[in-house]
Amino acid sequence: AQKITQTQPGMFVQEKEAVTLDCTYDTSDPSYGLFWYKQPSSGEMIFLIYQGSYDQQNATEGRYSLNFQKARKSANLVISASQLGDSAMYFCAMSLNYGGSQGNLIFGKGTKLSVKP
Amino acid sequence: GAGVSQTPSNKVTEKGKYVELRCDPISGHTALYWYRQSLGQGPEFLIYFQGTGAADDSGLPNDRFFAVRPEGSVSTLKIQRTERGDSAVYLCASSQGSNQPQHFGDGTRLSIL
Repeated sequence: AQKITQTQPGMFVQEKEAVTLDCTYDTSDPSYGLFWYKQPSSGEMIFLIYQGSYDQQNATEGRYSLNFQKARKSANLVISASQLGDSAMYFCAMSLNYGGSQGNLIFGKGTKLSVKP
Repeated sequence: GAGVSQTPSNKVTEKGKYVELRCDPISGHTALYWYRQSLGQGPEFLIYFQGTGAADDSGLPNDRFFAVRPEGSVSTLKIQRTERGDSAVYLCASSQGSNQPQHFGDGTRLSIL
């Protein structure tokens, strides 16, 4: 069965430092996508970054980068130069490709990141 | 608006009542998804539409839950004979298609008394 595991319920980071949020996944399908979403206390889910299973390079989007290690089935999110506004819940998610169409996302339980001034 | 719109933002009703939750996706997005998020958990998939048809409804918990998307745009999630365990935030998302990021609405917070 497909599964996303986030082992860090909560993390603290000092403002301006980098932080890594862990994510491991389990699937036997060769084609899948990995996503990270941010959910502030206001509740909206904000898309951050995407990595396809066949992508050769790690994805980057501004201060966000995804450390994709396919053999280890890990897709850790790295946030550089943390800001106070980065304090939020972060969810790792996986989608499976069914005949080229994206299916549902499977989410982990999330990691609560707190940035200290 | 530019984003996914969900109405109402909050809904409080009594056990046993019928509720409808509406989702207006981003214009041009063919794929639409419903998720349910309980407190302290990640969202859980309910149903996925590609156009007007439900491509995957395997996440619907039971036959009290039903969703439609008659014209391939707006979708309505319908819950019959509500139970206290149905209380959660119901999230809707849309995407352009194959393996594209899903963009979420702000959700409907449903409380069953």
